[in-house]
Amino acid sequence: ETGVTQTPRHLVMGMTNKKSLKCEQHLGHNAMYWYKQSAKKPLELMFVYNFKEQTENNSVPSRFSPECPNSSHLFLHLHTLQPEDSALYLCASSPPQGTSSYEQYFGPGTRLTVT
Amino acid sequence: AQSVTQLGSHVSVSEGALVLLRCNYSSSVPPYLFWYVQYPNQGLQLLLKYTSAATLVKGINGFEAEFKKSETSFHLTKPSAHMSDAAEYFCAVSAPGAGNMLTFGGGTRLMVKP
Repeated sequence: ETGVTQTPRHLVMGMTNKKSLKCEQHLGHNAMYWYKQSAKKPLELMFVYNFKEQTENNSVPSRFSPECPNSSHLFLHLHTLQPEDSALYLCASSPPQGTSSYEQYFGPGTRLTVT
Repeated sequence: AQSVTQLGSHVSVSEGALVLLRCNYSSSVPPYLFWYVQYPNQGLQLLLKYTSAATLVKGINGFEAEFKKSETSFHLTKPSAHMSDAAEYFCAVSAPGAGNMLTFGGGTRLMVKP
């Protein structure tokens, strides 16, 4: 596997379910991100991790819970979601600060539908 | 703080015509600038980036962008559109020293007519 991978690619869940999204990067990066992309809305940054430490939480509801066990893996745990949480969830990674121009590399996304 | 404005949420061109997607930014320091492309049901792919070297930046798939400080712009162009260029394009800005955070524009959907 190369680049940034995300599983599953598609997920349908009920409002009472608990599920997790997984992201893995094979680029040797140290920063990882979760974004939410809804139809007709700008890309929304949710969480940022640098060297496994959460450095940004963009006022995300607690029904979304991130986990970063190491610099290569990032999870987004989901529970009691609402229909408006249906969206494409994108993971990205980037090299450490000071080593590049901060471009981020994105995974293919998980299309989440909450019923 | 930085921000990005993409003029035109939808742009339609004929195959073979010039593509021009507009991006204006605001930043308190000289920025790094990026263009990404997103095809349906896929993630964002980096097209090109400006990092304070040459002001005319060439990217993949025949795209290029020019950094104009006086106009705070970073417009994306391609001389001749192909059907395969139909996608959504995002401009993004990062401020050196402000961490590894990107601020994205709202996106422009490019449609290519045969």
